[in-house]
Amino acid sequence: GAVVSQHPSWVICKSGTSVKIECRSLDFQATTMFWYRQFPKQSLMLMATSNEGSKATYEQGVEKDKFLINHASLTLSTLTVTSAHPEDSSFYICSAPDRGRETQYFGPGTRLLVL
Amino acid sequence: QKEVEQNSGPLSVPEGAIASLNCTYSDRGSQSFFWYRQYSGKSPELIMFIYSNGDKEDGRFTAQLNKASQYVSLLIRDSQPSDSATYLCAVENPGGGNKLTFGTGTQLKVEL
Repeated sequence: GAVVSQHPSWVICKSGTSVKIECRSLDFQATTMFWYRQFPKQSLMLMATSNEGSKATYEQGVEKDKFLINHASLTLSTLTVTSAHPEDSSFYICSAPDRGRETQYFGPGTRLLVL
Repeated sequence: QKEVEQNSGPLSVPEGAIASLNCTYSDRGSQSFFWYRQYSGKSPELIMFIYSNGDKEDGRFTAQLNKASQYVSLLIRDSQPSDSATYLCAVENPGGGNKLTFGTGTQLKVEL
């Protein structure tokens, strides 16, 4: 199957700092990528859709100024958590549809801990 | 509000048995359905997708879809301890765009 990578795999930061997470499609081009967040014992919640060459679309309740998304190329999307706070601590996962857009492949996730 | 419902479990089955995981969805317009497996601390990995009513088999896994009842299930035959994980049902939102709505997942425990 298609391969999607994320970097970093985990990050610990102080409250108030910004954290950038990268999502790359390694063997295919993705005009669309998705960013999810998962809190412990909960399911994945879609945060936003990252669109190559245009603005991201955010789900209801997700602050676009806090979670900045940039989809600069067909293989890279970044999520920046600005002014992170402890409540932003979570597991952030990106995904990208495969070539046939039949399904999505997930990156390995980034675990964020804000102290 | 689009909803995908799953029993959170845990569902315990003995090794070698059939595990049956169920999922219901609220949006009758949904056309594409997915089962993902998620090990603790890891991201989801795709097991199967199904679009048409009926059964779809892939190795030890069988997905079943009944659009009239808005019900999709996953059967795991000859369950192995390595199958112990959380199984997430996902439904693609109608209207395209590949957006998925996930259920809360069912935790499966395969006991020796």
